[in-house]
Amino acid sequence: DAGVIQSPRHEVTEMGQEVTLRCKPISGHNSLFWYRQTMMRGLELLIYFNNNVPIDDSGMPEDRFSAKMPNASFSTLKIQPSEPRDSAVYFCASSLGAGKEATGELFFGEGSRLTVL
Amino acid sequence: GNSVTQMEGPVTLSEEAFLTINCTYTATGYPSLFWYVQYPGEGLQLLLKATKADDKGSNKGFEATYRKETTSFHLEKGSVQVSDSAVYFCALSDRPNDYKLSFGAGTTVTVRA
Repeated sequence: DAGVIQSPRHEVTEMGQEVTLRCKPISGHNSLFWYRQTMMRGLELLIYFNNNVPIDDSGMPEDRFSAKMPNASFSTLKIQPSEPRDSAVYFCASSLGAGKEATGELFFGEGSRLTVL
Repeated sequence: GNSVTQMEGPVTLSEEAFLTINCTYTATGYPSLFWYVQYPGEGLQLLLKATKADDKGSNKGFEATYRKETTSFHLEKGSVQVSDSAVYFCALSDRPNDYKLSFGAGTTVTVRA
């Protein structure tokens, strides 16, 4: 079975450019998460969707970051304009269930490594 | 708020050695506790979990027991293999918002042949 699919795996861009990261969650999962991983801050939850609706975006760093989930099988994380401090590995994860049904088991993609020069 | 503290790495071991990674937590309620593992170049994957006090999670030879009295969830394996080299993350869920996992900083484990 296909897991969570992310693209691109690696992205190198220059400061000021727009970056779009993409994610396809596991079919049937109704919760989707975007995380950022850096050496300094570890794993940070950026945003959480349930049934395609953003539920918690309190982790989104600032207005330069935006995320969408137009349907159950696709999500994007966009950074515009990008800055060097955005360099990190961005993970998408999906899970089945929310609230009382939540199991805590997240299925992670392989990540998108972003380098902003 | 809820938080997780795990032992700092890196940890380097020889094959067949005993591994322990300490994890303690702070929580206001009754969280579920997890260990996730991240192999090189991959995303995190669930290794084991425990949802209530005294529960023991186990998988692939790894074990961890939910100790409410010491607020701990230490990960152990009796005999490690080279293939266990990875980064290990302790995490807890924040009830009632179970989706919001709080992760520890991660412990890098390297097993040498």
